[in-house]
Amino acid sequence: EPEVTQTPSHQVTQMGQEVILRCVPISNHLYFYWYRQILGQKVEFLVSFYNNEISEKSEIFDDQFSVERPDGSNFTLKIRSTKLEDSAMYFCASRWGATGELFFGEGSRLTVL
Amino acid sequence: KNQVEQSPQSLIILEGKNCTLQCNYTVSPFSNLRWYKQDTGRGPVSLTIMTFSENTKSNGRYTATLDADTKQSSLHITASQLSDSASYICVVSANDYKLSFGAGTTVTVRA
Repeated sequence: EPEVTQTPSHQVTQMGQEVILRCVPISNHLYFYWYRQILGQKVEFLVSFYNNEISEKSEIFDDQFSVERPDGSNFTLKIRSTKLEDSAMYFCASRWGATGELFFGEGSRLTVL
Repeated sequence: KNQVEQSPQSLIILEGKNCTLQCNYTVSPFSNLRWYKQDTGRGPVSLTIMTFSENTKSNGRYTATLDADTKQSSLHITASQLSDSASYICVVSANDYKLSFGAGTTVTVRA
């Protein structure tokens, strides 16, 4: 069964360092998303991406964040200068259509020290 | 503001028992509602999807109901198993395709 894959599964970094989280969405999907979930809290929307551009972003997605789909398969989330409060589980998700089922990856746990 | 409220926040049940989780939403205009199961440290996995015209939908031992008039949904777990221990998240989609997530209900099934 097709799945969304994410790497790394866990990354530990020092405050101020750049982090890139990678995702390979399901191959025929057109809509891509990043969400985050701080431990014990709800899933929060970060950004949606369609047709090679950001279609929507939340207040959380400030200038420190960026997304890219560099080669038609990978979908990356970059955090330029990590802060302690960026520690969370980051989920990539994708779907074929704008209203279709959203498939989540297993997440990348980011720990900022 | 579109909101999704879930209750209870957590519950503990004995293996083999049933339980019901609640989801109230203020999302408008409503498109669909999904229940997701999230195992600890894993990504959410869709259990059911319900549109405006659907009242009940089942997926094995999981049965979701929807009352679009009162903007309420429930997820009923029948004959719970240890593997049902997880967080259950209600996600409501508006007509503009934006998704609103509930905070989830954490279910713990004990032997």
